[in-house]
Amino acid sequence: DAKTTQPNSMESNEEEPVHLPCNHSTISGTDYIHWYRQLPSQGPEYVIHGLTSNVNNRMASLAIAEDRKSSTLILHRATLRDAAVYYCILRRSGNTGKLIFGQGTTLQVKP
Amino acid sequence: SAVISQKPSRDICQRGTSLTIQCQVDSQVTMMFWYRQQPGQSLTLIATANQGSEATYESGFVIDKFPISRPNLTFSTLTVSNMSPEDSSIYLCSVAGTGRWETQYFGPGTRLLVL
Repeated sequence: DAKTTQPNSMESNEEEPVHLPCNHSTISGTDYIHWYRQLPSQGPEYVIHGLTSNVNNRMASLAIAEDRKSSTLILHRATLRDAAVYYCILRRSGNTGKLIFGQGTTLQVKP
Repeated sequence: SAVISQKPSRDICQRGTSLTIQCQVDSQVTMMFWYRQQPGQSLTLIATANQGSEATYESGFVIDKFPISRPNLTFSTLTVSNMSPEDSSIYLCSVAGTGRWETQYFGPGTRLLVL
């Protein structure tokens, strides 16, 4: 499975935008880029995913580099409830469907 | 979306004993997975629970230690056998469709402490 590289931790101030980077230089053409986050004492939850084009939803935006070797999760206005571990994961094609988690980025949001 | 429940939510067990964790989904799902999250660590995939056949285990995990059942498309169990303190972790069930674009949903986890 293709690996992703994320910073161990990041800090943000409340109500400011946050850009969480992810490198995936060995991504294959059929890999989807998924982002999940894990709030304290909870199971991971889906945030967003994309293939080639930038994506927006109510939680966040996903900016994908033209060569697809990196991506950035954008939280437009961080709140204290966004403090979590954010995981960038490549999901392979085929019928396995499994997600392989890396270490993720721990986001701290300061009031 | 899928709503997943797990039982028990937490347990404290003695070494050498076994614990069976249940995972119930509110709809039929194709794929079910079991993960382990050791204290302060990320999630590690244990196995894929296949309906009507033996589970598919990831490297480092074996059926004798983590037997899995999946009798139907909404239910699965994971047993942690002959437990040791190193098995103290959070065990999470998750479900997904087969498409690589599809969302995966996670249960709340079972917190296990082995003394």
